[in-house]
Formats: sequence, structure tokens, C-alpha cells
Amino acid sequence: KAGVTQTPRYLIKTRGQQVTLSCSPISGHRSVSWYQQTPGQGLQFLFEYFSETQRNKGNFPGRFSGRQFSNSRSEMNVSTLELGDSALYLCASSLARTGRMNTEAFFGQGTRLTVV
Amino acid sequence: QKEVEQNSGPLSVPEGAIASLNCTYSDRGSQSFFWYRQYSGKSPELIMFIYSNGDKEDGRFTAQLNKASQYVSLLIRDSQPSDSATYLCAVNNMKTSYDKVIFGPGTSLSVIP
Repeated sequence: KAGVTQTPRYLIKTRGQQVTLSCSPISGHRSVSWYQQTPGQGLQFLFEYFSETQRNKGNFPGRFSGRQFSNSRSEMNVSTLELGDSALYLCASSLARTGRMNTEAFFGQGTRLTVV
Repeated sequence: QKEVEQNSGPLSVPEGAIASLNCTYSDRGSQSFFWYRQYSGKSPELIMFIYSNGDKEDGRFTAQLNKASQYVSLLIRDSQPSDSATYLCAVNNMKTSYDKVIFGPGTSLSVIP
């Protein structure tokens, strides 16, 4: 069974540009979460999508947005890039069964974004 | 107070010793607790999860949960140099109606040969 696939793996952008990252979850997983990881802040929750709806959102500015498609694939967009947006962006998928149990998240390899 | 807290370390243990990693959380309604291992430059991988109070053992790993104290720990017996990594504690947050997994900052473990 294929794992979580994130593309691209590496990206270099300049300040002010925008970027779109893609995540394909494990087949059958309907929940996709996005995280930003930096050495100083650790793993910070961005948002979570389930059945094309954003269910949870972390404390990030509106420049960070996302969406989920009917096949559960998700994209994350960052507009007006800032130097501080340089980070590893991780996507995780889970079954998210009802009853709030068994929500193990499986991570993709991440997209390393560098803003110059 | 942060939702999930861990000692950042680094925690250094000699090879063969027991490594003890601790995590506390603030949401009393949390029901699911996870330990992830992350090697440098890699993405986190799930090593254990626990839902009920008490201990759960899997090979050299034991997760311990105490909901009354809002505390979860991970013990690694017979530590190996290959266990050197950052260990992330994750808790599902019940403040919303849906699952939301919150990660702690991670504890860096170094196993010295």
C-alpha cells in the first residue's frame, strides 16, 4: 500500500511569491493534516481537512490556506512568502474513524521550502 | 500553558540503558496518545499509541499513560545507538468536535555507544 506522497520534495522561492504544495494521502484515508516544522518551533499544526472541509485550523496567518479534493488529495498554498516561511512542510493522513479513536497519523516525506 | 509539553533534551543515555521520555498535556478530555520518532532529516514515524491508563509494551518500547496526572511516557529498554532521534509526543485534542492531533516540541535522545 502506497504511503503519503508529497510533492515537490524541495522548493526554493523568493520573498513575495506564492507556492502550492501537494499531498496525496494513503488510499482510504479521508483526513489530511498539514504541519510546519522549524528548528525553533517544532511541529506546528496548520490545518486539517476531512471530506473536502477544513475542520481544524492552527494559529497561522491567512496567507496559509489549503483545500482538499474529492479524492482526498490536498494542496496547501502560501501567498506573499516571507523569509520566516522557510521550513519543512509535512502532510499527514489518517483514517479519522468516528468515536475519535485510532487517529494515528502517517506522514509524508515533506516538502522543504526555502524562501530567499 | 502549552497543550503538550516535553523536555527538549538532549537526553543522553549509554548503550544498553533505559531511556525515559516524558510528556504532559493540558486537555483532560484527550483520549489518544501517540509517540513518534523522527530521525534527522526524515519525517516522523509512529512507534506506539496508547488509549487506556497503564502500560503498553511493544518490544523494547513501553508506553505509560496516567490520565489523572495528564502524563504519558515512553520507556526504551536496552537503548541502541539507532534509537538516537527526536521523540515526539502527540495527543488528540478534544476541544473541537473532531480529531485534532497536537504534537509536543519533541525530546532529542542520544544513545552513546
